[in-house]
Amino acid sequence: AQTVTQSQPEMSVQEAETVTLSCTYDTSESDYYLFWYKQPPSRQMILVIRQEAYKQQNATENRFSVNFQKAAKSFSLKISDSQLGDAAMYFCAYRAGANSKLTFGKGITLSVRP
Amino acid sequence: DTGVSQDPRHKITKRGQNVTFRCDPISEHNRLYWYRQTLGQGPEFLTYFQNEAQLEKSRLLSDRFSAERPKGSFSTLEIQRTEQGDSAMYLCASSLLLASAEKLFFGSGTQLSVL
Repeated sequence: AQTVTQSQPEMSVQEAETVTLSCTYDTSESDYYLFWYKQPPSRQMILVIRQEAYKQQNATENRFSVNFQKAAKSFSLKISDSQLGDAAMYFCAYRAGANSKLTFGKGITLSVRP
Repeated sequence: DTGVSQDPRHKITKRGQNVTFRCDPISEHNRLYWYRQTLGQGPEFLTYFQNEAQLEKSRLLSDRFSAERPKGSFSTLEIQRTEQGDSAMYLCASSLLLASAEKLFFGSGTQLSVL
């Protein structure tokens, strides 16, 4: 069974600084996708970034980038130039290529200090 | 396109009562998912539909739970004889499957409290 582990329950970052959120996963599949979702107080899950396992290049979306280490099964999210609006819960998620359901980690609460 | 809509946003019920939630996906999205999220946890998969066909159900979905998607449009999730352990947020998501490039759009959820 696939599992996603987010071991840090909370993190805090100063506005304009950089923060890295950690995630590890376990799978025996070779074809899969990894995601980071943001859940603000409005509760709506918003896709932040996605990584295909077959791609060696790390995904980047504006201030958000990932460090995908396939051999170590690690998938961390880096947020640069943190903004107050980045404060939210962040969930790491996994999807096997042939499957449709997402498996989520427990999430991490990110606070941004002004 | 107004996004994925869920109704109601909050539901308080007494143990043993039946409840029904509704999800309206983004129009023309052929896939619809239900997830459950409890406090301090990530969402857990319950079931999903492709058009009107229910393709997969999690073992979390006991026989008290039933989901439908008539005509492949909106979906309902019914919980019969609610228990306190059913208290959670129920999230709906929809997507348009295009090969492997599937992107899920989530609604804001229905928060269920069973007293």
